[in-house]
Amino acid sequence: GDSVTQMEGPVTLSEEAFLTINCTYTATGYPSLFWYVQYPGEGLQLLLKATKADDKGSNKGFEATYRKETTSFHLEKGSVQVSDSAVYFCARISNNAGNMLTFGGGTRLMVKP
Amino acid sequence: DAGVIQSPRHEVTEMGQEVTLRCKPISGHNSLFWYRQTMMRGLELLIYFNNNVPIDDSGMPEDRFSAKMPNASFSTLKIQPSEPRDSAVYFCASTQGWEGSPLHFGNGTRLTVT
Repeated sequence: GDSVTQMEGPVTLSEEAFLTINCTYTATGYPSLFWYVQYPGEGLQLLLKATKADDKGSNKGFEATYRKETTSFHLEKGSVQVSDSAVYFCARISNNAGNMLTFGGGTRLMVKP
Repeated sequence: DAGVIQSPRHEVTEMGQEVTLRCKPISGHNSLFWYRQTMMRGLELLIYFNNNVPIDDSGMPEDRFSAKMPNASFSTLKIQPSEPRDSAVYFCASTQGWEGSPLHFGNGTRLTVT
């Protein structure tokens, strides 16, 4: 079935460090892929998405490239800020329904000043 | 656009009581989802509506849980009777109907059952 696997956290970085959060998905079809971010006390919100192979989604300095050959969608940011501290969720479209998502387990990022 | 609105934000109740969580999706969105989030199990999909009709309720834990969507602008998730293991944050999310349309989440209801 559909699944998304992302690296376990927490990931702790100093401000201005480079961030990578790994995400891989099951390779059934060519699903749209997403990264969502959850700040404390809030619901998830869309950070970026990519709909086909080799697409790069980007937003707020974050980027992720849809890699069909490695079934991956790793999230990167060149220089993190304290305000980026949050939980990040990778997700894919479920094969069972056009707008239902399968989420990974979430990765907590903590950025220290 | 006010976003997805959930109420209440916090609910504390005693075991055995009935709990009703409410959600108002974004106007024009025709798909609605209820999720539950806990530290142990992460984010779990409970039920999914499309055009007010339940499509997939396989994630509903047991018969104590029920969800309704009487119209396009309102949904409820009811737990009767509640148990301490139901303590979690419950999120409602809505989206437009096309494939890949982003989910918009409410800020959740934090439920504590004592």
